[in-house]
Amino acid sequence: DTEVTQTPKHLVMGMTNKKSLKCEQHMGHRAMYWYKQKAKKPPELMFVYSYEKLSINESVPSRFSPECPNSSLLNLHLHALQPEDSALYLCASSQDLGGRTQYFGPGTRLLVL
Amino acid sequence: GENVEQHPSTLSVQEGDSAVIKCTYSDSASNYFPWYKQELGKRPQLIIDIRSNVGEKKDQRIAVTLNKTAKHFSLHITETQPEDSAVYFCAASHHNAGNMLTFGGGTRLMVKP
Repeated sequence: DTEVTQTPKHLVMGMTNKKSLKCEQHMGHRAMYWYKQKAKKPPELMFVYSYEKLSINESVPSRFSPECPNSSLLNLHLHALQPEDSALYLCASSQDLGGRTQYFGPGTRLLVL
Repeated sequence: GENVEQHPSTLSVQEGDSAVIKCTYSDSASNYFPWYKQELGKRPQLIIDIRSNVGEKKDQRIAVTLNKTAKHFSLHITETQPEDSAVYFCAASHHNAGNMLTFGGGTRLMVKP
């Protein structure tokens, strides 16, 4: 099973809302990633979790907060987002960090009003 | 950090013709080069990858070549079909950088029937 699942598929939120995106994989992978993708642009890495250690893209604002409850689950908590945060949020996983293939989930399309 | 450039940004070919997409990278330590295909509204899907100890890899109608000296790699699609129409992203990473993929800007391939 090479599937990464994400919920919800679509999300509309106001700038004062708090919401969470969820990602799950059952491939036994030990590394999971969050990417942001704007229209007609490549995915941009936001966060990496591997063996419960977080690595951050320092340009990501603090209104995005990742959480890794266990090695199969990855959440992205959203708070006080801006309209420019509207994008497709992709989760990915890989066996580990050693130059391994990353498998992407279907993404959550987020609209911030 | 790594910088990946991809050309062309758009490519239109006739069904049955070949398509070639080229990428250059800046970090000589990069050693893993995947190619992803992303159809409209879908997730990026790995179509082929190559590691720095190999110069060429082929999978049916798709091939990738790597020139480590010149720091460029290319995707070749032969006998193109309308279902090959999508956006293609190249990427580069090395395990010393935590498997963090740096993507090229993408190529929109249109295959005309």
